[in-house]
Amino acid sequence: EAQVTQNPRYLITVTGKKLTVTCSQNMNHEYMSWYRQDPGLGLRQIYYSMNVEVTDKGDVPEGYKVSRKEKRNFPLILESPSPNQTSLYFCASSHHRQENTEAFFGQGTRLTVV
Amino acid sequence: AQSVAQPEDQVNVAEGNPLTVKCTYSVSGNPYLFWYVQYPNRGLQFLLKYITGDNLVKGSYGFEAEFNKSQTSFHLKKPSALVSDSALYFCAVRDNYQLIWGAGTKLIIKP
Repeated sequence: EAQVTQNPRYLITVTGKKLTVTCSQNMNHEYMSWYRQDPGLGLRQIYYSMNVEVTDKGDVPEGYKVSRKEKRNFPLILESPSPNQTSLYFCASSHHRQENTEAFFGQGTRLTVV
Repeated sequence: AQSVAQPEDQVNVAEGNPLTVKCTYSVSGNPYLFWYVQYPNRGLQFLLKYITGDNLVKGSYGFEAEFNKSQTSFHLKKPSALVSDSALYFCAVRDNYQLIWGAGTKLIIKP
């Protein structure tokens, strides 16, 4: 089954404690991205990657890091989480070179930073 | 700059009535338009897309969308709403490899 898998689904952590949210896709997609979703603000892109070892900042990259060492994985790293990073996070993937294809989303990770 | 607007934060519809969720866009060139739905505690699911051709696009769960180039709109519609259609709906337009998103519209279907 084609899918994007995020882990964990729920996470409560304390300010400053490094964390990683994993994302994996099994569709051989080149393009992967991370979004955060906040009430009234819709989806905002954090980082994206067009292929292995190619990453770039989205609209709200501050406080986040990513890596793309393998095509299927695109982890999101919060080196020193702060309460304003409490949010719902989504990973998505799609074929980069085909503009008419849809994106596939993970189930989401609800992060609370206290 | 490319943009997508969903002018209604919330739409309330009685079960069995037709529904419309509005979306307008601003892009240069030909638009690739998408609708996604988010059910509570779930990720976004693809509903339908407009690439080219027929202005009326049919998608999942009985939804359809009408592309109107002159009005730069891509409204989501369904002839008869179900309570289970209650969810958050997002419109998006493709800009090269990125998706530009609307803020979302909460659809509430009342029995």
